[in-house]
Amino acid sequence: GAGVSQSPSNKVTEKGKDVELRCDPISGHTALYWYRQRLGQGLEFLIYFQGNSAPDKSGLPSDRFSAERTGESVSTLTIQRTQQEDSAVYLCASSEIMGLGNIQYFGAGTRLSVL
Amino acid sequence: AQKITQTQPGMFVQEKEAVTLDCTYDTSDQSYGLFWYKQPSSGEMIFLIYQGSYDEQNATEGRYSLNFQKARKSANLVISASQLGDSAMYFCAMREGSGSARQLTFGSGTQLTVLP
Repeated sequence: GAGVSQSPSNKVTEKGKDVELRCDPISGHTALYWYRQRLGQGLEFLIYFQGNSAPDKSGLPSDRFSAERTGESVSTLTIQRTQQEDSAVYLCASSEIMGLGNIQYFGAGTRLSVL
Repeated sequence: AQKITQTQPGMFVQEKEAVTLDCTYDTSDQSYGLFWYKQPSSGEMIFLIYQGSYDEQNATEGRYSLNFQKARKSANLVISASQLGDSAMYFCAMREGSGSARQLTFGSGTQLTVLP
């Protein structure tokens, strides 16, 4: 596909369960980012991957959150032992490294609801 | 201190008129980028326009222009000839530094409603 693809689009889970969110970036984009958007708020940075460099995990809110990326392709964001405050939309973006502004292009997001 | 400030939680504009959405930023970096994104009710973030800190001219993309005032640290979005489809949430964002991928810092957004 031409754009950033995220799955699932919606996820409902029970408190304490683990969830995995998937992001498939634009082909050729070496940088990949995860953000969280709580209801009615702006986006909060979580983590980004750039090529083969160590990821920048400085935005992860707790050790329950982790992410992996295989090469320059798919990334998975995992939230362990989910809590109600994890309910949010999780957005993934990708960008080129060299390019005007490193413009980030976003997927449609995964809406996570923790009951 | 907030790095990106959007002081207008909501704005209304009449169809076909122009509207300005405010954004101020705070950074000590000399090299940075400023972005505007549109988020319709469907939830997807749509890139609108980009301004680099060293760009001398204001960026324009169709009906969108960015009024960049570096000394005042403001990067207001101007939408000309508003259309009903422009009704959405608009976010200002900043990337600090250059040369590699960096995360964006977002403001809290402005909800724009275009009235018929």
